[in-house]
Amino acid sequence: IVLTQSPGTLSLSPGERATLSCRASQTVSVRYLAWYQHKAGQAPKLLIYDASSRATGIPDRFSGSGSGTDFTLTIKRLEPEDFAVYYCQQYGRMPYTFGQGTTVEVK
Amino acid sequence: EVQLVQSGAETKKPGESLKISCKGSGYSFSTNWIGWVRHMPGKGLELVGVIYPPDSDTRYGPSFQGRVTISADKSISTAYLHWSSLKVSDTGMYYCVRQATYFDYWGQGTLVTVSS
Repeated sequence: IVLTQSPGTLSLSPGERATLSCRASQTVSVRYLAWYQHKAGQAPKLLIYDASSRATGIPDRFSGSGSGTDFTLTIKRLEPEDFAVYYCQQYGRMPYTFGQGTTVEVK
Repeated sequence: EVQLVQSGAETKKPGESLKISCKGSGYSFSTNWIGWVRHMPGKGLELVGVIYPPDSDTRYGPSFQGRVTISADKSISTAYLHWSSLKVSDTGMYYCVRQATYFDYWGQGTLVTVSS
């Protein structure tokens, strides 16, 4: 399953809303889709699993939605620590695949 | 607290062999699949493969099948990623991951540099 993320780069200011898209080439079974945040020099961190469930300790400004082939990660109000690269991943069918990433950068 | 602690950075020459490790703690090692994800400079994340420690059932990403070997020693809660003959294109950061369907815990990463 190929995952295509858009846009490639999102230039926003702190306090703004970020909307990231992830489109799958085939239906993702049982909404088995996750979102990860990756900052330079750190390991990726799980944000969202099963399309819309927040991982432990993740603030509620992060939310996930979608099903089938179209999924969205929304960051309600960007905090300075949210500027990073975000990846979606499907784990419904092997090989598990990642999107190419969306960079959220400071405008 | 679940932790995945990986071995340190490695610099190798093309054709050399390498085995990196990942030790799990804070959970029952035999309960979850455990695996490896690669991040190459300027590129995205890619699944190398995963292994189920109780029976060593292993699944590889298509780019890695036949190129690497994943193994696990459940007696010491450690997973391994092995190359028999490295290529320059194997250069990258390799993360150990615990699988709970999704990847819920990540190791700190092992930087592998292959250069002549």
